[in-house]
Amino acid sequence: DAKTTQPPSMDCAEGRAANLPCNHSTISGNEYVYWYRQIHSQGPQYIIHGLKNNETNEMASLIITEDRKSSTLILPHATLRDTAVYYCIVRGGANSGYALNFGKGTSLLVTP
Amino acid sequence: NAGVTQTPKFRILKIGQSMTLQCTQDMNHNYMYWYRQDPGMGLKLIYYSVGAGITDKGEVPNGYNVSRSTTEDFPLRLELAAPSQTSVYFCASSYNSNQPQHFGDGTRLSIL
Repeated sequence: DAKTTQPPSMDCAEGRAANLPCNHSTISGNEYVYWYRQIHSQGPQYIIHGLKNNETNEMASLIITEDRKSSTLILPHATLRDTAVYYCIVRGGANSGYALNFGKGTSLLVTP
Repeated sequence: NAGVTQTPKFRILKIGQSMTLQCTQDMNHNYMYWYRQDPGMGLKLIYYSVGAGITDKGEVPNGYNVSRSTTEDFPLRLELAAPSQTSVYFCASSYNSNQPQHFGDGTRLSIL
């Protein structure tokens, strides 16, 4: 299963775009990239996922490089409520029931 | 619109006691998962199920058992509680392997 690398922490000013990077250089051709976040000790919240095309939904945009070795999650107008730990995950294969391999994530602090 | 429901939310056990953590989902999802999260760490998979009657071990299954007699329910059993099992437990479900996993709010378990 592919591993991901994220910076441990980032800051962002309220109202600005938050760009969270992720490296997944060992990703294979049919593995999806998922992004989740966790606010305080709540259950992880799904944000977005993609295979090779850029994706956008009401929460965020996901930019995946052409070689698929890295991606960036973009929160276009960060608010204080976006302060959370963000996890970039390459989903496991069939032998793990396609479980999500959580690492330590990036702790994003949105400041006033 | 319940989603994934976990009970109880909090529990304190004595060493050697047993208990069952309940998880139920009302989204007709086939896949269900149990994760644990230790302080400051990401989530680790304990057990998973790809459908009623089918269960399999994840990364950290020792000390736990599961069953999946219905599509909706996926209880996690601790037979002989140990201090190392103090953690936050999250249940998740997804319709299939490509769809996002939806998480419950967690059960905070302390073993003293």
